[in-house]
Amino acid sequence: GNSVTQMEGPVTLSEEAFLTINCTYTATGYPSLFWYVQYPGEGLQLLLKATKADDKGSNKGFEATYRKETTSFHLEKGSVQVSDSAVYFCARVKTTGNQFYFGTGTSLTVIP
Amino acid sequence: DAGVIQSPRHEVTEMGQEVTLRCKPISGHNSLFWYRQTMMRGLELLIYFNNNVPIDDSGMPEDRFSAKMPNASFSTLKIQPSEPRDSAVYFCASSSSKSYNSPLHFGNGTRLTVT
Repeated sequence: GNSVTQMEGPVTLSEEAFLTINCTYTATGYPSLFWYVQYPGEGLQLLLKATKADDKGSNKGFEATYRKETTSFHLEKGSVQVSDSAVYFCARVKTTGNQFYFGTGTSLTVIP
Repeated sequence: DAGVIQSPRHEVTEMGQEVTLRCKPISGHNSLFWYRQTMMRGLELLIYFNNNVPIDDSGMPEDRFSAKMPNASFSTLKIQPSEPRDSAVYFCASSSSKSYNSPLHFGNGTRLTVT
């Protein structure tokens, strides 16, 4: 079964609002964790990643911290822009091998 | 870096026809994945290859679907015969299994419509 659970969408925010998209995982060991973003009509793109506990991944103003105590990797951004409107996927790599498990995706719409 | 290249970008076909989707992974990547994305089911892994060998095809819906990877730079996903329920966006992705933390790199997908 799917071992990555992320917040249900859709999420609608006003420009400059604070964003949090929750993600939790189940795994044995400490797999690398990822956030991907999918803009309309495109494939998924890597947004950020963290490879070990307490690591913080960051990119384009987005951040996520690998929390092994809560098995979480929540995505945050302090001030969203209209151009951040997209679908966001949390993912982890299988601890044995390089297969990925993806969350169901969270759609974000930012309105001016 | 050309990225993962998929063709065609769009395919419209009639039920019963054969459909072939193509993928060129990033040079040097030795793992290749085929995904299907629909509104109802989200992102589903169909099959993946390591070093051109299929490792896990448990996600392939049924015998109408087949995938091949004849060499390190090319893979195909074939549907024969196609059905309307196969309509979806099909993504190819590649990564390097030599690095444990290597992320997946996705192509822009093929949007398949079966009428």
